[in-house]
Amino acid sequence: DAGVTQSPTHLIKTRGQQVTLRCSPKSGHDTVSWYQQALGQGPQFIFQYYEEEERQRGNFPDRFSGHQFPNYSSELNVNALLLGDSALYLCASSLSGDMNTEAFFGQGTRLTVV
Amino acid sequence: SQQGEEDPQALSIQEGENATMNCSYKTSINNLQWYRQNSGRGLVHLILIRSNEREKHSGRLRVTLDTSKKSSSLLITASRAADTASYFCATDRDDKIIFGKGTRLHILP
Repeated sequence: DAGVTQSPTHLIKTRGQQVTLRCSPKSGHDTVSWYQQALGQGPQFIFQYYEEEERQRGNFPDRFSGHQFPNYSSELNVNALLLGDSALYLCASSLSGDMNTEAFFGQGTRLTVV
Repeated sequence: SQQGEEDPQALSIQEGENATMNCSYKTSINNLQWYRQNSGRGLVHLILIRSNEREKHSGRLRVTLDTSKKSSSLLITASRAADTASYFCATDRDDKIIFGKGTRLHILP
């Protein structure tokens, strides 16, 4: 079991550009959540996908959007990048409906906006 | 928004000593989890304690939960250099995991 895999591991983009980050959940998991972690801070919840729909959303602008595919993998898209979008983006997978199961995290994508 | 708040923000102790980190949260929860993060990479799940549990052990880890005070503590006994990391508490509400800002633990040789 490969666990949660994210790609790419590092990415450098220019202000105003668009970026797509990818996540494959742990086998058997059907829910994917995305987090943004700025340096020295805790992860901030962006949104969660289940059954190919956005189920919950944190306090992030519409520039942040996502998608979940039938195989449960997910993408995070960020448009019109700002310098402040530089962060570690983490993907977590879990099993919906089980309130007491742990979420598994990928190693993250380090995005740098210049 | 942050649900949990860890205390202290940073902690340095000698190898072999015990380390205690605290977490306070604001609203009712289904469970509370503790995670470790090394060098700004992925989060590793350490332990989950349900809202109806008061204490849980896993190896050198001991977690307590006081729902009346909306607080939890993580105790790492006999610390090792490899325990140097950031530790986060996270609360599960409505299938959403919300993290605190973390405690940065440094184990001195």
